[in-house]
Amino acid sequence: AQTVTQSQPEMSVQEAETVTLSCTYDTSESDYYLFWYKQPPSRQMILVIRQEAYKQQNATENRFSVNFQKAAKSFSLKISDSQLGDAAMYFCAYLYNNNDMRFGAGTRLTVKP
Amino acid sequence: DTEVTQTPKHLVMGMTNKKSLKCEQHMGHRAMYWYKQKAKKPPELMFVYSYEKLSINESVPSRFSPECPNSSLLNLHLHALQPEDSALYLCASSRIGILGSTFGSGTRLTVV
Repeated sequence: AQTVTQSQPEMSVQEAETVTLSCTYDTSESDYYLFWYKQPPSRQMILVIRQEAYKQQNATENRFSVNFQKAAKSFSLKISDSQLGDAAMYFCAYLYNNNDMRFGAGTRLTVKP
Repeated sequence: DTEVTQTPKHLVMGMTNKKSLKCEQHMGHRAMYWYKQKAKKPPELMFVYSYEKLSINESVPSRFSPECPNSSLLNLHLHALQPEDSALYLCASSRIGILGSTFGSGTRLTVV
């Protein structure tokens, strides 16, 4: 079974600073996909960034980037120049076989002004 | 239209009631999903529909009955629920083979 672990229940960052959220996963598959989703108080899950396991290059989306270490099964999210609107619950997710997505327990990010 | 719309946003129902949750998208996505999310927990996959056919049922109790009447609509019929079924129910959709889902804002269900 595939499992996703987020070991940081809560994180805090000062506005304009950089923060890194950790995620590890367990799988025996070689071809899979990893995601970071953001869930603000509005409840809607918003896709932040996506990484294909067959790609060695780390994905980047504006202020969001990942550090994907396939051998270590690690997939961390770095948020640069943190903004107040980044405050939310962040979920790491693993997708295998197109339709079956599994989420980690989440990390609550607080951004201090 | 790049949204997944869920109605109602809030629902309170008794254990003997029958109610339905509705999910709609007009993005041409042919995969649609129901997730259940308890407070301070991650979403848990319940059902997956691909091309309007049920492809994954994660051992969900029969008091939850999904229905996909067409490629834009996904329903979740509820009957004889228990208080522990109270949760946020999230609908999502995606293109087949294109990864990453678009989520709705959910229905907050309370069973009394």
